[in-house]
Parts: sequence; C-alpha cells; structure tokens
Amino acid sequence: AQSVSQHNHHVILSEAASLELGCNYSYGGTVNLFWYVQYPGQHLQLLLKYFSGDPLVKGIKGFEAEFIKSKFSFNLRKPSVQWSDTAEYFCAVTANNAGNMLTFGGGTRLMVKP
Amino acid sequence: DGGITQSPKYLFRKEGQNVTLSCEQNLNHDAMYWYRQDPGQGLRLIYYSQIVNDFQKGDIAEGYSVSREKKESFPLTVTSAQKNPTAFYLCASSVVLNTEAFFGQGTRLTVV
Repeated sequence: AQSVSQHNHHVILSEAASLELGCNYSYGGTVNLFWYVQYPGQHLQLLLKYFSGDPLVKGIKGFEAEFIKSKFSFNLRKPSVQWSDTAEYFCAVTANNAGNMLTFGGGTRLMVKP
Repeated sequence: DGGITQSPKYLFRKEGQNVTLSCEQNLNHDAMYWYRQDPGQGLRLIYYSQIVNDFQKGDIAEGYSVSREKKESFPLTVTSAQKNPTAFYLCASSVVLNTEAFFGQGTRLTVV
C-alpha cells in the first residue's frame, strides 16, 4: 500500500544540537511534499513545501528539507535546535497517481532540552 | 480574519448517539478535508471534498458521513457505527487538492 513513513517516533535533543527527521514515501508519479509542525496547544502549520525545482527547500524558523527522488525521501533538517522547537512534526505527501489526497506520516515528537 | 473555524473545541457524547462536528472556512478554498489524529498514528484522512456537492472517502471513512452543500462548510457526522469515535478531529482546506492545507484548531470528541 502507498504510505508515508516517519521512522523516528520520539527524538530528544539538547539545545544547539543538529536535527534530522526522516520521511520516506512509497508513491510513484509526481509528488508534492510537505512538512507541518504542531506546537503544544496550537494548530498544525506549514513549515515548508516542495513542488518542483531546487530539491533543497528552505522553510520558516531555520528549517530546510531535501527531496531525494531516487530514495523517495524528504528529510527535515535544522543545524541548531532551540527549546522552542519542541513540537510534533509531520511529513505529508500528495501524489498525482493517488488522487492528490494529502497523506500524512505518523509524526515525530521532538523534545529539546534547555 | 481569514481561517478555518471548528466548533466546538470539546464535545462529549453518549455511546450510540450521532454527533456532528462543524467546520467553516472563509478562505474561498475549493478543497476541504477531515482528519482524525490519534497518538502515534499521525493524521488519517476520513473524507475530502474537491468542490461543492462532491466528496470522496479517505482511508478511514467507515462510521462517518459528510456533506458539502456550501463552499465554506464541510460538517462531519460521527455515527453510532464508528467503533472507536473518541479522538481529536481536524478539519483543513486548500485552494485545490495537492496544495498547501490550512488547519483548524480541532475538536476533541469524547464518547462515554
């Protein structure tokens, strides 16, 4: 079945550590890729998106993600995390051969220790 | 203020009762979605609608129903056939399918 996988369910880092959250998808065809963040008590908001062009995309708050088509991956990175990055992060995909439905991964809960 | 409004924020219902969750958007978006969020399972798509008077089942539609009679409204009914209805429900909209989705604050439904 087509799916979106986030292999890290829980990540704990100290402030200033580097972050990389994995996201893999199993869809073929043309995909659009997204990372969303859900801060405690807040609604989901978009961090960044990839539709086409440069596979390295930059988002808000210093986040970036790289689309590697050959690996079906769209990993999220941040060079130096802050305590305020504590949140749950979701990767999401739409695929033109899967009805263009926005399908989410299981999420990664990040805790940053001050 | 443009956005998506879900109401109520918290909802309690007795087992066996149907309950309807409201979702309204004033973003003039064509597409709308309902997701269910459970711990460790991410967001799972219940129903989506590309345009008024049209909607499609998502991955977990059983026990749910929707309508899309107006562009700005996409109510979700949780029926008594839904075996495990207690969850956090999120509504979203986007200009069209496959573009950035905007989310409401969610409704936490507890069935007792």
